[in-house]
Amino acid sequence: ETGVTQSPTHLIKTRGQQVTLRCSSQSGHNTVSWYQQALGQGPQFIFQYYREEENGRGNFPPRFSGLQFPNYSSELNVNALELDDSALYLCASSLGGGISTDTQYFGPGTRLTVL
Amino acid sequence: EDQVTQSPEALRLQEGESSSLNCSYTVSGLRGLFWYRQDPGKGPEFLFTLYSAGEEKEKERLKATLTKKESFLHITAPKPEDSATYLCAVRYGGSQGNLIFGKGTKLSVKP
Repeated sequence: ETGVTQSPTHLIKTRGQQVTLRCSSQSGHNTVSWYQQALGQGPQFIFQYYREEENGRGNFPPRFSGLQFPNYSSELNVNALELDDSALYLCASSLGGGISTDTQYFGPGTRLTVL
Repeated sequence: EDQVTQSPEALRLQEGESSSLNCSYTVSGLRGLFWYRQDPGKGPEFLFTLYSAGEEKEKERLKATLTKKESFLHITAPKPEDSATYLCAVRYGGSQGNLIFGKGTKLSVKP
């Protein structure tokens, strides 16, 4: 069984640029959630995708957007990067569309640094 | 007001010195309380899910318990390799199925 994978591992961008982060869900999982984790904080929910549709969104501006593909992999796009976007971005996969009690399994994360 | 509060923020133990981490929550309609372990720069690793008050789960030196307002993660005879940040998260009726995390407890175990 393959776990959740994310790419790239690290990324450095400058303010105002755009970035795309990628996630492959665990085998058999149809739901992907994205979280942002600032240093010393717990992860904060960005949004979730279930069967290619956005299924819930946290308190993040529209410049954070995403996609889910037919194979359930997902992308997180961030436009007009700001310094405060520097964080560890985590992808988690689960089975059940988010409203169930299923456990979310996390990938290793992408460390984004905005200069 | 934080919905999930973890204490202490940091805990230093000697190898073999047992202790407990606390996670208190204020949400209603709990649909699961989750414990994760996170090593520096890595993604959270799933440990336990608890669904109802009175439930307990164990894994090696770790035991998680749940009441109506809080959860404890008990660590028995810890080893240096147990050093990590332990995160608690809840899912409840108003969270659209997603996890609300606490800030974590950073555990250091010295040999």
